[in-house]
Amino acid sequence: DAGVIQSPRHEVTEMGQEVTLRCKPISGHNSLFWYRQTMMRGLELLIYFNNNVPIDDSGMPEDRFSAKMPNASFSTLKIQPSEPRDSAVYFCASSMGPDQPQHFGDGTRLSIL
Amino acid sequence: RKEVEQDPGPFNVPEGATVAFNCTYSNSASQSFFWYRQDCRKEPKLLMSVYSSGNEDGRFTAQLNRASQYISLLIRDSKLSDSATYLCVVHTGRRALTFGSGTRLQVQP
Repeated sequence: DAGVIQSPRHEVTEMGQEVTLRCKPISGHNSLFWYRQTMMRGLELLIYFNNNVPIDDSGMPEDRFSAKMPNASFSTLKIQPSEPRDSAVYFCASSMGPDQPQHFGDGTRLSIL
Repeated sequence: RKEVEQDPGPFNVPEGATVAFNCTYSNSASQSFFWYRQDCRKEPKLLMSVYSSGNEDGRFTAQLNRASQYISLLIRDSKLSDSATYLCVVHTGRRALTFGSGTRLQVQP
């Protein structure tokens, strides 16, 4: 069975550019989560969706970050404009519900120069 | 106080040793508990759920102590391949699952 699929796996871009990260959750999962992980701050929840509706976006760092889930099989996390401090690994995860075990994608390693 | 707290370690143990990690949580109403494992430069992966009665999966035993608000993970007969960061995860009821910052384990030959 296909797990959570994220793209791209790696992204290197210059500051000021727009970055779009993509995620396909596991089929049948109705909760989707976006995380950011750095050495300094660990794993941080940015936003999560339930049935395609954003439930909690209090972890989104600032207005430069936005996330959408237009349908049950696709979500995007966008950073515009990007800054060097956004460099991190971004994980997408999905689950059967907000209190159920989450399954993570391989992550996107983002470097902003 | 953090919602989920773990000793960051590292725990350095020899092969074959038994090692235990604890994790404390602040919300007494928490209902769901998990242990995840994360290898270097990889995604977190579910290791096991933690049930009220405690549960075992091979060399791994997880326990929940509601009175003291902590969960534990015991690893018996440690293998080199057990070296990883172990994340305590709690459903605090507020923001879906809350991940601890992890405990690093290094099993040495």
